[in-house]
Amino acid sequence: DAGVTQSPTHLIKTRGQQVTLRCSPISGHKSVSWYQQVLGQGPQFIFQYYEKEERGRGNFPDRFSARQFPNYSSELNVNALLLGDSALYLCASSEGTVLTDTQYFGPGTRLTVL
Amino acid sequence: AQSVTQLDSQVPVFEEAPVELRCNYSSSVSVYLFWYVQYPNQGLQLLLKYLSGSTLVKGINGFEAEFNKSQTSFHLRKPSVHISDTAEYFCAVSSSNRDDKIIFGKGTRLHILP
Repeated sequence: DAGVTQSPTHLIKTRGQQVTLRCSPISGHKSVSWYQQVLGQGPQFIFQYYEKEERGRGNFPDRFSARQFPNYSSELNVNALLLGDSALYLCASSEGTVLTDTQYFGPGTRLTVL
Repeated sequence: AQSVTQLDSQVPVFEEAPVELRCNYSSSVSVYLFWYVQYPNQGLQLLLKYLSGSTLVKGINGFEAEFNKSQTSFHLRKPSVHISDTAEYFCAVSSSNRDDKIIFGKGTRLHILP
């Protein structure tokens, strides 16, 4: 079975641009969560979607948005990029809610903002 | 709100020696606790989790952790480490109050010395 996949693997953008990151969950998983991992830090929760509805949102500005599609894949959008948005963006999927089900992480998308 | 503190940013250990990675948490409600491992250039992988029941939790790759409510700790242990255990280890906490956010610590880098 394929694991969680994310695209692209690497991305370079300039300040002020917009970016879209994509995630495909493990087949049968209905929950997708997004995390930001800045170098030297632990992952920070951005969003969780379950059954196409937003179930949780972390302390990120409105420049960050996400959605989940009927096939449970997900996109994370970041507008008006800042240098501080440079990070590894991780997607995780699980069968149900985060609390009781194991989350499976993808390899991440490395975003560099110049 | 929950928080988690990993007391050591780096831990050097000789191969085949025991290791303990420390994690303390704070929360005003019941918690779920997790340890994740991130191997170089890979996504996060769940090592073990505590949801309820026995305070000693066994995980993959010979790791175990003990939930200590009075000391608000969830330290990770392994009796004998191998070079393949070189990785970053993250402790994480989530509230049991239908709050779907997981809060990660800053991570502990485990260096295995030959």
